[in-house]
Amino acid sequence: QSVLTQPPSVSGTPGQRVTISCTGSSSNLGANYDVHWYQQFPGTAPKLLISNNRNRPSGVPDRFSGSKSGTSASLAITGLQAEDEADYYCQSYDSSLSGSVVFGGGTKLTVL
Amino acid sequence: QVQLQESGPGLVKPSETLSLTCTVSGGSISSYYWSWIRQSPGKGLEWIGYIYYSGTTNYNPSLKSRVTTSIDTSKSQFSLKLTSVTAADTAIYYCARFDGYNSPGDYWGQGILVTVSS
Repeated sequence: QSVLTQPPSVSGTPGQRVTISCTGSSSNLGANYDVHWYQQFPGTAPKLLISNNRNRPSGVPDRFSGSKSGTSASLAITGLQAEDEADYYCQSYDSSLSGSVVFGGGTKLTVL
Repeated sequence: QVQLQESGPGLVKPSETLSLTCTVSGGSISSYYWSWIRQSPGKGLEWIGYIYYSGTTNYNPSLKSRVTTSIDTSKSQFSLKLTSVTAADTAIYYCARFDGYNSPGDYWGQGILVTVSS
């Protein structure tokens, strides 16, 4: 059971807009801790996609965007492409139990 | 360009200690939180813990009793020890650099598969 909750899977067709949610609680997202998003392809390490709720590292297409409100956050992908098919993870900090880095359970994005 | 590389045995026997080292190149090991994250086969990411360059540590409460990390700034290396391993500890182990306790991991190693089996 992950501290941050993500849907196990989402899907979309090329060109569509899809969103992936990340739901937390008062000890993490609700305590104003930032959320970060990663993209992971099979057999590779996670790659930072969105930092500090909405910032894109250099090289990340502007098709990817992030938002956060209260105890929830979202990753949006517009103009969906076949190459976006991957696993996506959210990450934040939780102040309970002496503080921990916490991840969501991950969401598998399928491009139909 | 900062690079991280995990090294260590790929096979550990049950009840023994898993030991891994992460070597940092292309950048300073100072002023960052150096983390270990693992991923069991087909599962999600699990934070194990981090060590600050000064030696301060913080661990996942679920693993805290079995985890120790250390850092050797002269060698630009940090290490993980996980004791009393079981098959449930079989995973890909990643080392990563975090800028702060609520920052993202901006640089990651490629990961190393560690299998716990007799």
